[in-house]
Amino acid sequence: QVLLVQSGAEVKRPGASVKVSCKASGYNFTSNGISWVRQAPGQGLEWMGWINAYKGNTNYGRNLQGRVTMTTDTSTSTAYMELRSLRSDDTAVYYCARLTPVAGDAFDYWGQGTLVTVSS
Amino acid sequence: SSELTQPPSVSVSPGQTATITCSGDALSKIYSSWYQQKPGQAPLLVMYKDTERPSGIPERFSGSSSGTTVTLTISGVQAEDEADYYCQSADTKYVIFGGGTKLTVL
Repeated sequence: QVLLVQSGAEVKRPGASVKVSCKASGYNFTSNGISWVRQAPGQGLEWMGWINAYKGNTNYGRNLQGRVTMTTDTSTSTAYMELRSLRSDDTAVYYCARLTPVAGDAFDYWGQGTLVTVSS
Repeated sequence: SSELTQPPSVSVSPGQTATITCSGDALSKIYSSWYQQKPGQAPLLVMYKDTERPSGIPERFSGSSSGTTVTLTISGVQAEDEADYYCQSADTKYVIFGGGTKLTVL
């Protein structure tokens, strides 16, 4: 079965960076894109960007341009999201999600989420 | 506009029909999807391509589309359907989510 397993919770100081991983299994990793979505406490879903797992090209959300980098390692079927210059309002649960073109680019599988807390 | 607008909350009694709308200019051109999210859990895809239901999603969930509005309908609502629901689409090259609707089963 398709699984996306994310790395564990992180606590960071303002100004630091965080790198979250998302290990995929149960499908051909390079056949689908991976998006990252975050959710601040008590808030809605915010799309952060997308990476083509095969070619590595990316598309980042307007609000995060310049602070986020998404990469993949096809040898381990793992996607990564690095967010730099962390601020307190970056505190959120970060999700990876598989994008499926045949489903109209819907996100059909999600990771379990990674809580990133930014606090001094 | 690159926004999707949902009602903040919808309340229904068990067995009734819940209707959640999502409006936005992007919806007239690009497919929508719907996600159900229960507290402490990751979102779950319940509808894609406006009207298609993923395998494993109960038949009481259905979707429709008209112009710039898409609708998620839950017929015969059950207590387990209480959750937040988010619509999602895209605007040119950016994915957008609606603000979410909290469905309360009275």
